[in-house]
Amino acid sequence: QSVLTQPPSASGTPGQRVTISCSGSSSNIGSNYVYWYQQLPGTAPKLLIYRNNQRPSGVPDRFSGSKSGTSASLAISGLRSEDEADYYCAAWDDSLSGPRVVFGGGTKLTVL
Amino acid sequence: EVQLVESGGGLVQPGGSLRLSCAASGFTFSSYSMNWVRQAPGKGLEWVSYISSSSSTIYYADSVKGRFTISRDNAKNSLYLQMNSLRAEDTAVYYCARGVPAAIAWFDYWGQGTLVTVSS
Repeated sequence: QSVLTQPPSASGTPGQRVTISCSGSSSNIGSNYVYWYQQLPGTAPKLLIYRNNQRPSGVPDRFSGSKSGTSASLAISGLRSEDEADYYCAAWDDSLSGPRVVFGGGTKLTVL
Repeated sequence: EVQLVESGGGLVQPGGSLRLSCAASGFTFSSYSMNWVRQAPGKGLEWVSYISSSSSTIYYADSVKGRFTISRDNAKNSLYLQMNSLRAEDTAVYYCARGVPAAIAWFDYWGQGTLVTVSS
C-alpha cells in the first residue's frame, strides 16, 4: 500500500488530454513539493516534473503538473504513442516515524 | 554528461549480504546528495535511502532500517549500499539516483539499475 495514491491505469487516444491524479496527506503533498517521474518500458525512471509544476529542460510542454492542498495532478496534452509509460508521483514526507521519500503506486498510461 | 553506473547485484540466499556500488561521473559528486531507489519485479518504485553530500545526514526507509547501510566515498566518486540480513522481499532492481541540493525527493539523474535476487 503506497503512501501516495494514484490510479493504477489511464488511457487515451492520440491527441487527447489525459490527467493522472496523486493523493496524499498533510505530511507529504500538503506541506512539500511534488515530483513526477516517467518510466518507459524496460528503462530507468526519468524526472518529468519538479517542484509541483516545473519542467526540466528537454521535457515537452505537453506535460504539466499542478498541486492543490493534499493532491497533485499530471496532465499530458496532445497525447502521443511514445507517452505510453508508467508515471509516478513522489514527495518528501515529514512522518512522525521518521522523514522519508514516498512514491505513488504508479499509473500505467496506455495510448489506444 | 552525468553518468551513474550501478554494480554488485546478483543472487544471494536469504539472510545473506551484498554490497552495491554506484560509480558517478560527469559532475562534482561531492556537491550532491545521493539516493537508492528500488523496484521489485512488476512493482512500483520504493525509496530506500538518502545520504547528504558530506554524509552528515542519512535516512532510511522503515523496510530496510537496521539492515542496510548507505555510504559514499567522495574521493572515489562512489556511492554504496551494504545490504545485510537479506529477505526475499528485498528482491528488486536497485537504482542510484542523484539528488538536487536541499530537495530530497528531487532525483534528477538515475542509473540503469542492478538486479538483486534473494532466493535459496
